[in-house]
Amino acid sequence: ETGVTQTPRHLVMGMTNKKSLKCEQHLGHNAMYWYKQSAKKPLELMFVYSLEERVENNSVPSRFSPECPNSSHLFLHLHTLQPEDSALYLCASSQDLGAGGGSTDTQYFGPGTRLTVL
Amino acid sequence: QKEVEQDPGPLSVPEGAIVSLNCTYSNSAFQYFMWYRQYSRKGPELLMYTYSSGNKEDGRFTAQVDKSSKYISLFIRDSQPSDSATYLCAMSGPRMDSSYKLIFGSGTRLLVRP
Repeated sequence: ETGVTQTPRHLVMGMTNKKSLKCEQHLGHNAMYWYKQSAKKPLELMFVYSLEERVENNSVPSRFSPECPNSSHLFLHLHTLQPEDSALYLCASSQDLGAGGGSTDTQYFGPGTRLTVL
Repeated sequence: QKEVEQDPGPLSVPEGAIVSLNCTYSNSAFQYFMWYRQYSRKGPELLMYTYSSGNKEDGRFTAQVDKSSKYISLFIRDSQPSDSATYLCAMSGPRMDSSYKLIFGSGTRLLVRP
């Protein structure tokens, strides 16, 4: 596997379920990100980890719980979600934290997990 | 008012046309400007990056930033059907310690007809 991979690619869950999204990067990067992409809305930054430490929690509800056990893996644990949480959840990684245009801070995105909450 | 405004399209052009994609923004402190391309069922990929004002060219793509007007553009010359995708503008700044906080437009869907 190369780049940034995400599993599962599709997930349907009820409001009372607990599930987890997994992201793995094979690029040797130090920073990882979770974004939410809703239909016809801009990507929203949710969480940022740098060297396995959370550096950003962008006012995300507590029903979303991130975990970064090592620099290659990032999880998003989901519980008691709402239908409005249905969206594409994208993971990204970069060599370093930055604006995303330099050689070391370009953010590389995975294909996303399409989440539907019933 | 959204921080970044982008026409959602869709924009349909014939193959070979010059395409112009645009974003306006309200925060004069933005310093870093990016264009991402997102194909269907894929994540975004960085196309162009510009720091502050000016133009940048890469092959068929040219990015322009006009900070005085708070307006950025992406031009695609000799457009190809393979350019059909959603184009997202993104920006951030000014502080280096938070420049990773990208603010995205909602994306413009482009369709290049053969």
